[in-house]
Amino acid sequence: NFMLTQPHSVSESPGKTVTISCTGSSGSIASNYVQWYQQRPGSAPTTVIYEDNQRPSGVPARFSGSIDSSSNSASLTISGLKTEDEADYYCQSYDGSNHWVFGGGTKLTVL
Amino acid sequence: EVQLVESGGGLVQPGGSLRLSCAASGFTFSSYWMSWVRQAPGKGLEWVANIKQDGSDKYYVDSVKGRFTISRDNAKNSLYLQMNSLRAEDTAMYYCARVFWGVRWFDPWGQGTLVTVSS
Repeated sequence: NFMLTQPHSVSESPGKTVTISCTGSSGSIASNYVQWYQQRPGSAPTTVIYEDNQRPSGVPARFSGSIDSSSNSASLTISGLKTEDEADYYCQSYDGSNHWVFGGGTKLTVL
Repeated sequence: EVQLVESGGGLVQPGGSLRLSCAASGFTFSSYWMSWVRQAPGKGLEWVANIKQDGSDKYYVDSVKGRFTISRDNAKNSLYLQMNSLRAEDTAMYYCARVFWGVRWFDPWGQGTLVTVSS
């Protein structure tokens, strides 16, 4: 089964840049789009990146997404970190067989 | 404004049944695939099921096949999840979400309804 693997946690200081990785277990992660969701405690997930690197309206340009086929991974980069960015982040894609997959989630701490 | 509001969660004994509902507004419900996604307490997100615009195609995660049924009523702008033979491991917050099929993207999500399976 296709799986997406994320680091359990990352931490960085305000104003810095952090990158969260999402590695596909098999096949090519570039074959299907990757989305990234932010989930703050007690709230539903919201989209920060869709279609690998597109930002919904209202999401600041500090958030960016990319795909690296050589490592079969997707990345979410947040620059100019703010304390409000502290949340759980999930990548999500599709396995090509009518099953949809989420990464295990990464807890971002801004300290 | 696009809005999804889930209801129907609660405490149920193992082996019991529950029916979740999701009321949609602010968009043409009948034009979109819809999904259920769940999150066990303190755990990550897990896709549960998808349903096509007219209800003719449905897909499920393996762990709920044969026990859960996704359905919709386009006249009522509503999505449903009938959950039978519930197990402790089904305990989770259940979210409904609109699907952008071409991208395989869930957006937006409802606020969720909590299902607890316990004796």
